[in-house]
Amino acid sequence: DVVMTQSPLSLPVTLGQPASISCRSSQSLVHSDGNTYLNWFQQRPGQSPRRLIYKVSNRDSGVPDRFSGSGSGTDFTLKISRVEAEDVGVYYCMQGTHWPHTFGGGTKVEIK
Amino acid sequence: EVQLVESGGGLVQPGGSLRLSCAASGFTFRSYWMHWVRQGPGKGLVWVSRINSDGSLTTYADSVKGRFTISRDNAKNTLFLQMNSLRAEDTAVYYCAAGVNTPSGGYWGQGTLVTVSS
Repeated sequence: DVVMTQSPLSLPVTLGQPASISCRSSQSLVHSDGNTYLNWFQQRPGQSPRRLIYKVSNRDSGVPDRFSGSGSGTDFTLKISRVEAEDVGVYYCMQGTHWPHTFGGGTKVEIK
Repeated sequence: EVQLVESGGGLVQPGGSLRLSCAASGFTFRSYWMHWVRQGPGKGLVWVSRINSDGSLTTYADSVKGRFTISRDNAKNTLFLQMNSLRAEDTAVYYCAAGVNTPSGGYWGQGTLVTVSS
């Protein structure tokens, strides 16, 4: 299985400051169809996951533009340009290129 | 409004069975791959199974292969997960998800809790 490694495990951030989460895969996420199926999910406390970003850098409808995704191959990043109180939760990267799809272990974003 | 509503969870003894359902609305269900993902208590997300749009292709995580069966009824916009020979380690919230890789997808349900305990 493809192992997805996220860092950091915990990310205390001051309101209004930027935040960055790293995700690395144990093998390339480039699919044979040419796409890279790397998605980012947010899970707020007590809620189900919500997809923020699909195929590395595409924001889902309704996702604020302070969220951005980047990367290629095996190395990916989720950035929040200015953290707001509603961003508190756990963030997961997920690869949808290989089966079984796998998630990273999660990064807990909290306010300092 | 897109909705995925899971049901069928509950308390079951080890070795028992449950059938989960996921009722979909607000999108063209028959066009999407559907998935089951689970989250153990205080743990991360783990893929369980997936099924293609017409139900002809299914795949399973090794941990559930031979015990769980995914299926769908496109006429009723419903996804199923038949879970047999349940073990304590199957205890989790089970989510259904639609179109995880699809630009127009990325939908998740609210989850249903399965507890396997004597």
